[in-house]
Amino acid sequence: DQQVKQNSPSLSVQEGRISILNCDYTNSMFDYFLWYKKYPAEGPTFLISISSIKDKNEDGRFTVFLNKSAKHLSLHIVPSQPGDSAVYFCAASAGNNNDMRFGAGTRLTVKP
Amino acid sequence: SAVISQKPSRDICQRGTSLTIQCQVDSQVTMMFWYRQQPGQSLTLIATANQGSEATYESGFVIDKFPISRPNLTFSTLTVSNMSPEDSSIYLCSVVGTGIEQYFGPGTRLTVT
Repeated sequence: DQQVKQNSPSLSVQEGRISILNCDYTNSMFDYFLWYKKYPAEGPTFLISISSIKDKNEDGRFTVFLNKSAKHLSLHIVPSQPGDSAVYFCAASAGNNNDMRFGAGTRLTVKP
Repeated sequence: SAVISQKPSRDICQRGTSLTIQCQVDSQVTMMFWYRQQPGQSLTLIATANQGSEATYESGFVIDKFPISRPNLTFSTLTVSNMSPEDSSIYLCSVVGTGIEQYFGPGTRLTVT
């Protein structure tokens, strides 16, 4: 069952502009959300997370927004850089470390 | 974050054979997991590798097909048994960080012919 969905398989943006990656979830029990970045031939790298008690978390160029009523979260990268080109996975957890569900990923391409 | 290595990084195997994947962590960790990422799909949790006891498998995964060992707090193996082309995937191990985030190894790319 697809409890975490990333409906855009790919996204292309120009260097310096904003990248917005979206994620939807169906399980209202999820209370922790994470974003991972994956380069080819490497494992996913933890990027940023947000607890369900917050609606925004910022870390440098990366900001995650959470809309609990819409069961939607997004990752904003600004300004986007060519090195940000990777596959981004959204993940959600119901408070248990081994109950983490991942989206299918969005491939971001940042063009110079 | 922990440094995680996996062996082999990739392999091409024949149908009906088995492959054992190793995961080594540079520090002692309590929780270690094994995931599978099939082509074009998301990461799917196979099992939690428990130190000193049998692994805990997720729905759809069984011990006979994916036996797991966890002899200590820094090492685990996953065996993919009696392989078929449907087992062609990237297999990843992960450990829990200081919070709820997990840290992943580089993955093992398996192709079954």
